[in-house]
Amino acid sequence: TQLLEQSPQFLSIQEGENLTVYCNSSSVFSSLQWYRQEPGEGPVLLVTVVTGGEVKKLKRLTFQFGDARKDSSLHITAAQPGDTGLYLCAGEGDQGAQKLVFGQGTRLTINP
Amino acid sequence: DTGVSQDPRHKITKRGQNVTFRCDPISEHNRLYWYRQTLGQGPEFLTYFQNEAQLEKSRLLSDRFSAERPKGSFSTLEIQRTEQGDSAMYLCASSLGLFGELFFGEGSRLTVL
Repeated sequence: TQLLEQSPQFLSIQEGENLTVYCNSSSVFSSLQWYRQEPGEGPVLLVTVVTGGEVKKLKRLTFQFGDARKDSSLHITAAQPGDTGLYLCAGEGDQGAQKLVFGQGTRLTINP
Repeated sequence: DTGVSQDPRHKITKRGQNVTFRCDPISEHNRLYWYRQTLGQGPEFLTYFQNEAQLEKSRLLSDRFSAERPKGSFSTLEIQRTEQGDSAMYLCASSLGLFGELFFGEGSRLTVL
């Protein structure tokens, strides 16, 4: 069974600070996706990383896929209150077909 | 295109009752997925369809759960003889093809009393 562990599960910081969220597994994934979920809504895809070592940037968000494709990180620079939400990583496993394995999520709160 | 629609958004039922959720995917998306999300956890895969064919079911999907996609468009997820442990958000997602981006609906939140 493939599992993804996210850390931290909860993070509350002040506006303007930087933060990093980690997503770790002992399993190899063919791709790793990051989603953001608002209360009462479904997850929305932020980015997909496919190649080991790949780095993708989305404005103030930087996503990295580990060299061995077992882990990933999300770094936010100069966090803003609008970044508040639940961040989920999800791995596409060896059976593909978009049958995603999700981490338990990191609930991020950015205080003004 | 209005995205993935789910109905109802909220359902409160008594233990032992049957409930049915409906999902209307984005038109022309041939793949449709059901996930379940409990409080404080990430979504868990339940099942998926390619057109009208149900290609995979998770071991989480007990015999009380059944999903259909009769014409390859909308899908229903029925839970029979609900239990309190079935309380969760049931999320539907659709995609175009094997590598298409997953678009999630807003979910149907089930509370079993």
